[in-house]
Amino acid sequence: DVQLVESGGGLVQPGGSLRLSCAASGFTFSDFWMSWVRQAPGKGLEWVANIDQNGYEKYYVDSVKGRLIISRDNAKNSLYLQVDSLRAEDTAVYYCARRYSTSSPYYYYYMDVWGSGTTVTVSS
Amino acid sequence: DIQMTQSPSSLSASVGDRVTITCRASQSISNYLNWYQQKPGKAPKLLIYGASHLQSGVPSRFSGSGIGTDFTLTISSLQPEDLATYSCQQSFNTLWTFGPGTKVEI
Repeated sequence: DVQLVESGGGLVQPGGSLRLSCAASGFTFSDFWMSWVRQAPGKGLEWVANIDQNGYEKYYVDSVKGRLIISRDNAKNSLYLQVDSLRAEDTAVYYCARRYSTSSPYYYYYMDVWGSGTTVTVSS
Repeated sequence: DIQMTQSPSSLSASVGDRVTITCRASQSISNYLNWYQQKPGKAPKLLIYGASHLQSGVPSRFSGSGIGTDFTLTISSLQPEDLATYSCQQSFNTLWTFGPGTKVEI
């Protein structure tokens, strides 16, 4: 089965750091762009970052630029999100997702496989 | 950045009702619009991609339409298991954005 499993969340003090991980299985991880999406308590979904198959192209939502770094290790079938200088507003469930793209002639992009999420709580 | 809005923010309907949710983009996004369903305590699930293409395995009572800035998600006959929040998401450019979500109550 195609599966994504996040880990690494927890309680951290403001200003602290965390490294979230996402383990992929059931598909050829290196063939796909990957994404991180987060959801603050009681709020909507917020796309956070995308990374290409080789880890060269990376895109971030403006609100996290400079504090969050997306990366991957294709040999380990793993996606990562380094979160630094944590703030209360970073408290959220963090989901990893597979970015799928259709082929010619129409190139649609969407997140078709999701993990169950890992919870990050920023509090003193 | 492209801003996404949705209406209504919540709705209550009965089993068998036809339900329509609207999503609007702050600029034209062609048909690069996806819809997700999120049940309480669960991860989101893709329903519709490319504004109108039904994801494999999704019941045919779900449909999507629209192009440019205005889009709709329709549930033709609401079922008890459709209790969820529905969110649109644009993939027109490299910086993706979601709508705020529409909570559907039965």
